[in-house]
Amino acid sequence: QVQLVESGGGVVQPGRSLRLSCAASGFTFNNYGMHWVRQAPGKGLEWVAVISKDGTTKNYADSMKGRFTISRDDSKDTLYLQMNSLRGEDTAVYYCARGGSWSGDPWGQGTLVIVSS
Amino acid sequence: QSALTQPPSASGSPGQSVTISCTGTSSDIGAYNYVSWYQQHPGTAPKLIIYEVTKRPSGVPDRFSGSKSGNTASLTVSGLQAEDEADYYCSSYAGSTNVIFGGGTKLTVL
Repeated sequence: QVQLVESGGGVVQPGRSLRLSCAASGFTFNNYGMHWVRQAPGKGLEWVAVISKDGTTKNYADSMKGRFTISRDDSKDTLYLQMNSLRGEDTAVYYCARGGSWSGDPWGQGTLVIVSS
Repeated sequence: QSALTQPPSASGSPGQSVTISCTGTSSDIGAYNYVSWYQQHPGTAPKLIIYEVTKRPSGVPDRFSGSKSGNTASLTVSGLQAEDEADYYCSSYAGSTNVIFGGGTKLTVL
């Protein structure tokens, strides 16, 4: 079955970096664009970034441009999110989702990132 | 981009119907037929229930339906059941490979 498993979350100090991973299985990874979406504690969903199925097109929410980088390794069926210059407001559960018709389906279980000194 | 506007809460009794609105602009909802709806139960990941305004993924009950008029999309849940109590989020393609979400609506089944 289609499965997405995020990893790499944890507690990090402000200004530091973290790389999240999303391991995909059960489908042909390089046939799909992929999204990252985050959810701050007790808050709503916020779209973070998208990468096309061939990796050539990437885009980010305005608040993350210049700090976050989305990438993919199709040889490993894995999506990444490199997060630099982290701020307290980046504290959230980060989800990866398989793209299609500009929606996400399915979503992984999420990985929690806490930015705190 | 500004978030789409959803009512913070909605409610209905079992068996009734409830409609949740999602208001955007002529640059997102009004411009594209790429409106999606997600259901999220506490402590779980969101689940896609409507895509491309009206389409339901396999396995989603036909009690869930979507529509759009101008800059506003709507999700209707018919024949409310206890398990429908959850948070619901809309999203829309906003052009230039951007996606925006609504603030979410908490649906309570009375």
